[in-house]
Amino acid sequence: EIIMTQSPATLSVSPGERATLSCRASQSVRSNLAWYQQKPGQAPRLIIYAATTRATGVPGRFSGSGSGTEFTLTIGPLQSEDFAVYYCQQYNDWPPFTFGPGTKVDTK
Amino acid sequence: QVQLVESGGAVVQPGGSLRLSCGASGFSFPNSGMFWVRQAPGKGLEWVAFIRFDGSNKYSAGSVKGRFTVSRDNSKNTLYLQMHSLRVEDTAVYYCAKRGGGLVHYYIDVWGKGTTVTVSS
Repeated sequence: EIIMTQSPATLSVSPGERATLSCRASQSVRSNLAWYQQKPGQAPRLIIYAATTRATGVPGRFSGSGSGTEFTLTIGPLQSEDFAVYYCQQYNDWPPFTFGPGTKVDTK
Repeated sequence: QVQLVESGGAVVQPGGSLRLSCGASGFSFPNSGMFWVRQAPGKGLEWVAFIRFDGSNKYSAGSVKGRFTVSRDNSKNTLYLQMHSLRVEDTAVYYCAKRGGGLVHYYIDVWGKGTTVTVSS
């Protein structure tokens, strides 16, 4: 099973600044990685797939990078609606499909 | 628009059974692989099950294997999750979700709003 880890657990950022979130896989997942955003009381929403491709309707301030075992989601400049929890998920080697534990982006 | 609507969540005693349903609209359900993903209170996302577009192959997480079964009725555009031998640790919001990515990828591009399952005596 591929283990996904995310850092930091919480990231405190001021609106207008940039947030950099990290996701690491226990073994290579090539570019088969997605990022999801989840706000309190809501279902997750797809942000990035194939490590770098923005989903439909996702603003350009979201960008994904990386391949293999190291991935980054960059958000900037942060808008008020971007404060949420972000999860990465690998879909290279399954089952199981595995998610990271999440990074909470909150207001500094 | 693309929509997934879960139903069937309830409070059930340990050892009990429950069947969740997910109605799909706005896309070609018979051509789409489908997921169940759950989220325990205050916790992260956990994949539960995946079923291919035609139901030919089904996969489930180790934590539910032998207890939960995913199925679908393409004539009714409906996904199901049959749950048996429920445990307290199965308490969660259960999301129905659609596979994105055509033939290559297995990310989730559409999520339902979820249905809540509480296992408690």
